[in-house]
Amino acid sequence: GEDVEQSLFLSVREGDSSVINCTYTDSSSTYLYWYKQEPGAGLQLLTYIFSNMDMKQDQRLTVLLNKKDKHLSLRIADTQTGDSAIYFCADSFSGNTPLVFGKGTRLSVIA
Amino acid sequence: GAVVSQHPSRVICKSGTSVKIECRSLDFQATTMFWYRQFPKQSLMLMATSNEGSKATYEQGVEKDKFLINHASLTLSTLTVTSAHPEDSSFYICSARARNTDTQYFGPGTRLTVL
Repeated sequence: GEDVEQSLFLSVREGDSSVINCTYTDSSSTYLYWYKQEPGAGLQLLTYIFSNMDMKQDQRLTVLLNKKDKHLSLRIADTQTGDSAIYFCADSFSGNTPLVFGKGTRLSVIA
Repeated sequence: GAVVSQHPSRVICKSGTSVKIECRSLDFQATTMFWYRQFPKQSLMLMATSNEGSKATYEQGVEKDKFLINHASLTLSTLTVTSAHPEDSSFYICSARARNTDTQYFGPGTRLTVL
């Protein structure tokens, strides 16, 4: 079946950039998402990218997509302590199909 | 942006009781809602897909008689955990897709603890 893989942990210093990587196996994925989950809370949609795009930037967030390698990354510029959370990568074939999630990357920001 | 609410946010119940969780789209009509379950330190696992006015489609391994899903209107889906047991303790999250959009919006989740 399809799979989404992420590294489990990332630790960065406050003010540095964070890069969270994700790989997926389903070449028919059309939508690729990044969600943020703070402790005890639900998921917050950070951003998403269509498979026909290479890059999307939204304020401090930059998403890069390498469709050939099925690799997605999320870069957070000027990382703050409030960015500490678990970040989930997910893909889906369409907006009407369930998302397949990675296991999440726990980002720890050191002051 | 689109808002999805869940109620209750946290529930503690005794083994053998049934618990109903509501998922509401507050400012849009949700033609499709999804129910996910998240075990501690794990990713989300899809339980079922719910389309308004039709029966839910359950994923393999999810008991439809135990996890009753009702999507009675375009803004409300409910998940009822019947005869809950401690192993049902988990974080349940719903998501909703608005008509004519491609994005799913997630609720804040409901933490169920069965004693």
